[in-house]
Order: sequence, then C-alpha cells, then structure tokens
Amino acid sequence: NAGVMQNPRHLVRRRGQEARLRCSPMKGHSHVYWYRQLPEEGLKFMVYLQKENIIDESGMPKERFSAEFPKEGPSILRIQQVVRGDSAAYFCASSPPGAQGNQPQHFGDGTRLSIL
Amino acid sequence: QKEVEQNSGPLSVPEGAIASLNCTYSDRGSQSFFWYRQYSGKSPELIMSIYSNGDKEDGRFTAQLNKASQYVSLLIRDSQPSDSATYLCAVKDSNYQLIWGAGTKLIIKP
Repeated sequence: NAGVMQNPRHLVRRRGQEARLRCSPMKGHSHVYWYRQLPEEGLKFMVYLQKENIIDESGMPKERFSAEFPKEGPSILRIQQVVRGDSAAYFCASSPPGAQGNQPQHFGDGTRLSIL
Repeated sequence: QKEVEQNSGPLSVPEGAIASLNCTYSDRGSQSFFWYRQYSGKSPELIMSIYSNGDKEDGRFTAQLNKASQYVSLLIRDSQPSDSATYLCAVKDSNYQLIWGAGTKLIIKP
C-alpha cells in the first residue's frame, strides 16, 4: 500500500505529556500537510511542509505545537505539555512535487489523540 | 479573508434520487477545485477534481464548475445509502493555498 501512512492510529496521553504524531507521505510526494479535526467539525489547516522546510504554519498554535519534515524519515507533529483541548483527530495529507497548481492532497487514516 | 461556503445540512435525499451539493468560493482567481467524501470517523477521500468550466463526470458523480458565478457543485445520481457521508469542498486559491469548506452532511434514506 503506497498511501499516506500515519502512526499511531490512536494515542492516549495524560495532561502535561508530549505527543508525537508521524506521517510518511505517499511515494513520490514531497509536500506534507497537517490538519486537526474536532468531532462534528470541519478540517482545520495547521501546517504545510516540504522536505526540511516549513512553507506555511499559519494554522499552528503559537505555543506547544511544532512540526518538521526532515530530509530522511517521516514528518513529525509534536505537541508538548498536552491539554484536554488537544484531543482531536490529526490528519496528514501529501501531494506531489511541483504541486502548487492542480494536484489534490491525499489523506492518511489519521491519529486519534485522547488526553486523559 | 478567502472563504469556501457550504450548507452544513443535513441534506436528506431518498435512495435512487439525485443528490446535489453546492459550494461557493470568494477568490475569483481560484483555479483548482476538489470534492472529498468523509465517512464518520474516517479520513477524507478524494472524489472528484475539476479545473475548467463545465461538467466532469465520473461514474455516478458529476462535478460542475462555474467560475463566473464562483460556484462548484457535485451531483450524485442514483443515490445509495452508502453515499451517506460528509462532503467537503476544497478550493486552491490564487496563492495556491487549499481552502476548505466546513462540509455538507448528506443522508440517503432507503
């Protein structure tokens, strides 16, 4: 399966802990996007990355949240000192290089983060 | 602020009928338009993409784009209960940012 791979599928953390969410894009894709979705709500854009570069982080909270997409390995969304309000589904999507124009984004199955 | 608007629904359609989902956008320079389907608890799945004015058909799905009126629609013919889902409209604006609508919940009644 050459789709977007996210892990873990479910992640439980206690308040104050750190959460690390991983995303491996589709083969041949070098653009990665992270979204957050609360139950019964729409997708909220968080950050857009290319290899080793953050292109747009306008949707990222200013504190506790960070993202990276290293030259080797998956993209990581990191949430420090988690709070109950961080509980949500986090989706990763990818698209091919040179995709500014017309290429759609393809989504992974998401990580469901629950904060106790 | 650039926006993509969808009626949140729920839109209830009898089985076998045509479901019509609509989306309007504010950025006249938008070039690429996408419809995604999202089942409850699942990730969005690409249904259709459309880039030029007119209709684009794929099986039971038809996407319609009218750039002059700044709307894009999705028609689902012969609706099935399995089509019940939330349908998300996404528009790539003139700055190549993908702007998402909040989605329309579609319910197909047997």
